[in-house]
Amino acid sequence: DGGITQSPKYLFRKEGQNVTLSCEQNLNHDAMYWYRQDPGQGLRLIYYSQIVNDFQKGDIAEGYSVSREKKESFPLTVTSAQKNPTAFYLCASSEQGGYEKLFFGSGTQLSVL
Amino acid sequence: QKEVEQDPGPLSVPEGAIVSLNCTYSNSAFQYFMWYRQYSRKGPELLMYTYSSGNKEDGRFTAQVDKSSKYISLFIRDSQPSDSATYLCAMRYGGSQGNLIFGKGTKLSVKP
Repeated sequence: DGGITQSPKYLFRKEGQNVTLSCEQNLNHDAMYWYRQDPGQGLRLIYYSQIVNDFQKGDIAEGYSVSREKKESFPLTVTSAQKNPTAFYLCASSEQGGYEKLFFGSGTQLSVL
Repeated sequence: QKEVEQDPGPLSVPEGAIVSLNCTYSNSAFQYFMWYRQYSRKGPELLMYTYSSGNKEDGRFTAQVDKSSKYISLFIRDSQPSDSATYLCAMRYGGSQGNLIFGKGTKLSVKP
């Protein structure tokens, strides 16, 4: 089945630690996105990539980093510079030009120990 | 004023009721309007997609866009307990690039 796989489902971060969230898709989509969702809040865009080896900052990129070395993969690193990382992180993909029709993964809940 | 406003609810209705969910927006440049459904601790899924003004129907779901009032609606007929979820509106500007702006979501509970 085609889809987006996020792992792990739950992740805990210690003070000063960097953690990486995995996102893999087999939909052959060109564009991929990372969103952050806080309780009672809408989705906020962290980073997005329209093509391999290229990505752009979203609205809340500070404290995060990404890479796009393969079309299928778009990992997100939450760095120690992100002082409030506890949130539900969602990865999405879309066809090139189909920016309205996002396909989402099941999310990763990140919490701080 | 936020770009997209959506009442967070929660909204509780009996099974079989007609549900009306709404969003207002401030920027008249928005041209694409979407409704996503999100079950608890899951990723959202696209429910309805509308370009510009007008109505769109898909089974029990109807999306309406009123650009003159900057107001969009999602109607659910014959609501079912399985419709219990958070409904997020989303919008995008026209053109080749532009990211989605999401509302905060309305939590709906349909009671049997």
